[in-house]
Amino acid sequence: ETGVTQSPTHLIKTRGQQVTLRCSSQSGHNTVSWYQQALGQGPQFIFQYYREEENGRGNFPPRFSGLQFPNYSSELNVNALELDDSALYLCASSRRGGGLQETQYFGPGTRLLVL
Amino acid sequence: AQKITQTQPGMFVQEKEAVTLDCTYDTSDQSYGLFWYKQPSSGEMIFLIYQGSYDEQNATEGRYSLNFQKARKSANLVISASQLGDSAMYFCAMRDNRDTGRRALTFGSGTRLQVQP
Repeated sequence: ETGVTQSPTHLIKTRGQQVTLRCSSQSGHNTVSWYQQALGQGPQFIFQYYREEENGRGNFPPRFSGLQFPNYSSELNVNALELDDSALYLCASSRRGGGLQETQYFGPGTRLLVL
Repeated sequence: AQKITQTQPGMFVQEKEAVTLDCTYDTSDQSYGLFWYKQPSSGEMIFLIYQGSYDEQNATEGRYSLNFQKARKSANLVISASQLGDSAMYFCAMRDNRDTGRRALTFGSGTRLQVQP
């Protein structure tokens, strides 16, 4: 196990609602990245947080937002949910400044279904 | 822009045999990293192996090795002595390693490996 935890594990929402997903990073890590994985596809980068600030964003609209807290845990918020937001949401933690490799270690994910 | 291509949607291998999963990449960056992850049906992405673009030796981690051919822009994963527990989706990914670069992973579409007894 990586030590990265996510909650909840599963979630069902209806179109138009808002959702908050949570991630606790591995001990010693200072960076959190969020990915969306639609069924049958590879993960797509949403954004990354480092030192409590957004540090890079993928091709996702502003209704996808996030936070990083002083203990390096993070939240992903999605407003105005759409059917296409149904996916597995993966959180990954890494240690920036710990060498070139900076491997991202993933949590178990949150499966979101939007009806 | 970075791009990863995995051309094998599915692969079968007999238990105890070796298997090679293909990955080609495209980037204009000189400093980059290549990763392989395993994703069982449970959904968690498990890190397997890393190769830096300046690493002269091919990376190895236990039964996993990475066949890195920089001129051909390929980074194939070799799994030796396959086990039933190796059945999963495998993703190749790359990341810009420059200090000022975005530290996001770009993933391929994956290869589903099935190990047969």
